[in-house]
Amino acid sequence: ETGVTQTPRHLVMGMTNKKSLKCEQHLGHNAMYWYKQSAKKPLELMFVYNFKEQTENNSVPSRFSPECPNSSHLFLHLHTLQPEDSALYLCASSQDTGNYGYTFGSGTRLTVV
Amino acid sequence: TQLLEQSPQFLSIQEGENLTVYCNSSSVFSSLQWYRQEPGEGPVLLVTVVTGGEVKKLKRLTFQFGDARKDSSLHITAAQPGDTGLYLCAGAFGGSNYKLTFGKGTLLTVNP
Repeated sequence: ETGVTQTPRHLVMGMTNKKSLKCEQHLGHNAMYWYKQSAKKPLELMFVYNFKEQTENNSVPSRFSPECPNSSHLFLHLHTLQPEDSALYLCASSQDTGNYGYTFGSGTRLTVV
Repeated sequence: TQLLEQSPQFLSIQEGENLTVYCNSSSVFSSLQWYRQEPGEGPVLLVTVVTGGEVKKLKRLTFQFGDARKDSSLHITAAQPGDTGLYLCAGAFGGSNYKLTFGKGTLLTVNP
C-alpha cells in the first residue's frame, strides 16, 4: 500500500466501450498526475492537476477525459479507445511541485480489444 | 523537449556483483530522482538529489549527481536478487517543477 490507490488493477475493454479509471490519495498532497507507461517507451505525462485545477494537458487525445472533483480523487474517463492505447496507466501525487518526488499507485493495466 | 538517456537498457548480473547505471541529459536538472519499479507495480521513489556534486547513500545504493547537474549515476554494491527491477531516473527542468520527465529505464536482473 503506497498511499495512492488505483482501481481497477486490470481492465479489458472494447473499442466502443466507456470506462473510468479511479485514483485516490489520502496523503494530503495537492498535486495529482496521470502517466501512461507503454513497452519500450518512457513514462508519458498525460495530465496534471494542482489543487483540483488542471494545469497541464500534454496533447492527449480527447478520447481520454480527466476529472478531479477534489484534491484526493482523480478519474480518467475512457471512450472509443484504440488498441494502441493499451498500456499501464499510472496515477501519482505530490506535495507541491514534483521536485521532491511522486508517490505512485500500482497502476491499471488496460487492454483495448 | 528535454530527454533523459539511461544506460545500459538491460543488465543481467550474478548475486554479489557491483554495478552502475547512468542517467544523462543535455539540459540542466533542477532536481533528479531515482525510482525502482517491480513488475505489475508503480515506481517507488528511492532518492532525490538537488545539489550538483551531491552524493547520497541508501544501504548498498549510492547515488551521485553530476557537478553540472546534467547527469547522475546509481551504483549498487553486492547486488542481491531483491534488487531486480526497472530503475528509472526522472528529472525536473527549469520552471516545469510539476512535470517530471522520465528516462526509459534500466532493467536489472540479479541472478542467484
